[in-house]
Amino acid sequence: AQSVTQLGSHVSVSEGALVLLRCNYSSSVPPYLFWYVQYPNQGLQLLLKYTTGATLVKGINGFEAEFKKSETSFHLTKPSAHMSDAAEYFCAVSGTGNQFYFGTGTSLTVIP
Amino acid sequence: EAGVAQSPRYKIIEKRQSVAFWCNPISGHATLYWYQQILGQGPKLLIQFQNNGVVDDSQLPKDRFSAERLKGVDSTLKIQPAKLEDSAVYLCASSFRVPNIAKNIQYFGAGTRLSVL
Repeated sequence: AQSVTQLGSHVSVSEGALVLLRCNYSSSVPPYLFWYVQYPNQGLQLLLKYTTGATLVKGINGFEAEFKKSETSFHLTKPSAHMSDAAEYFCAVSGTGNQFYFGTGTSLTVIP
Repeated sequence: EAGVAQSPRYKIIEKRQSVAFWCNPISGHATLYWYQQILGQGPKLLIQFQNNGVVDDSQLPKDRFSAERLKGVDSTLKIQPAKLEDSAVYLCASSFRVPNIAKNIQYFGAGTRLSVL
């Protein structure tokens, strides 16, 4: 079975500061890991994904995430927050089956 | 290219009434998904279609929910009768033909927000 835990339902950062959104996963098989972003009244948009290979994954809008098997983590980071980054962020995990599990989300607020 | 289209955007009904949601995926996408997103939670997969066949409906409450994709393009999700706990955003997503959900990029529609009173 697979699941994800997102630590912190709300995160606030100042514009220009580091963004760090935390995600820990549980999986009985090698996981596929994803980060999605959801802007108000919109659907989810894929930021980045890890399947195999390089553990540091770069995504759109300057975001990146690192797969750490020893820590069962897949935290999302961005060096410098922009006002347009304010949104809801979801971590998700899938294994070899078709099931796809989302976390409960982290709402990011960027303070000018 | 046009994205995933969903309608209506909002729906308010009373409990025990019926409701239907419609989804038109991106052209050429053989795989279609319906998710339920309850306020404060992440999306939960309800059903996955590959063309007009069901790949996974293990989390679909089949006593009240039904979905179809008769011609392998558009899809309809129905709730009959609705309960208060069905209040949520219903998201439709589509992807290319590879059935393994983890190997695909899913494109999401804006969703239908359902309020059951």
